[in-house]
Amino acid sequence: GAVVSQHPSRVICKSGTSVKIECRSLDFQATTMFWYRQFPKKSLMLMATSNEGSKATYEQGVEKDKFLINHASLTLSTLTVTSAHPEDSSFYICSAREGRAQAFFGQGTRLTVV
Amino acid sequence: GQQLNQSPQSMFIQEGEDVSMNCTSSSIFNTWLWYKQDPGEGPVLLIALYKAGELTSNGRLTAQFGITRKDSFLNISASIPSDVGIYFCAGQRETSGSRLTFGEGTQLTVNP
Repeated sequence: GAVVSQHPSRVICKSGTSVKIECRSLDFQATTMFWYRQFPKKSLMLMATSNEGSKATYEQGVEKDKFLINHASLTLSTLTVTSAHPEDSSFYICSAREGRAQAFFGQGTRLTVV
Repeated sequence: GQQLNQSPQSMFIQEGEDVSMNCTSSSIFNTWLWYKQDPGEGPVLLIALYKAGELTSNGRLTAQFGITRKDSFLNISASIPSDVGIYFCAGQRETSGSRLTFGEGTQLTVNP
């Protein structure tokens, strides 16, 4: 199947700093990318949907100034958690799709804010 | 919020046993998907179902798209230790911009 690579897989940052997570489609053009957040033993919660070259569409309750999403190319989307706080610690997962094909998920990023 | 009810929440079985889990919804979906997630990893697509009544197999896995389009089940036959993980159902509607709605997951433990 198609490959979606997410980086880094783990990151620890200090409270108040920003951290960027990358999501790359390695063998297809990702016209749409999705960003999810997952709490321990819980399901995936969609944070935002981004189409290449457009502003991301955020789900209700997700702060767009807190979670900055950039989808500047057909193979790369980034999620930046700005001014991170301990409550932002979570598992963040991206998925990517080409056109109307099914989306494939990245490996996830474990963010710990200390 | 979540609209899919997935059950059971967890299962503890012996190697070789068959497993069944299901998802129900109060509303219709056009596509049903089943994923497996290993600890610290992203979900991996197991089976995709696109038509009401469709029954699809992938090795020891079989899934069906309910006739009413409001439910789906996943069966795993002759379980093995590497089947351990969390299984998620997900529904998709054409009208929702291809967003997925996930179930709460079924944690499967297989005892050798």
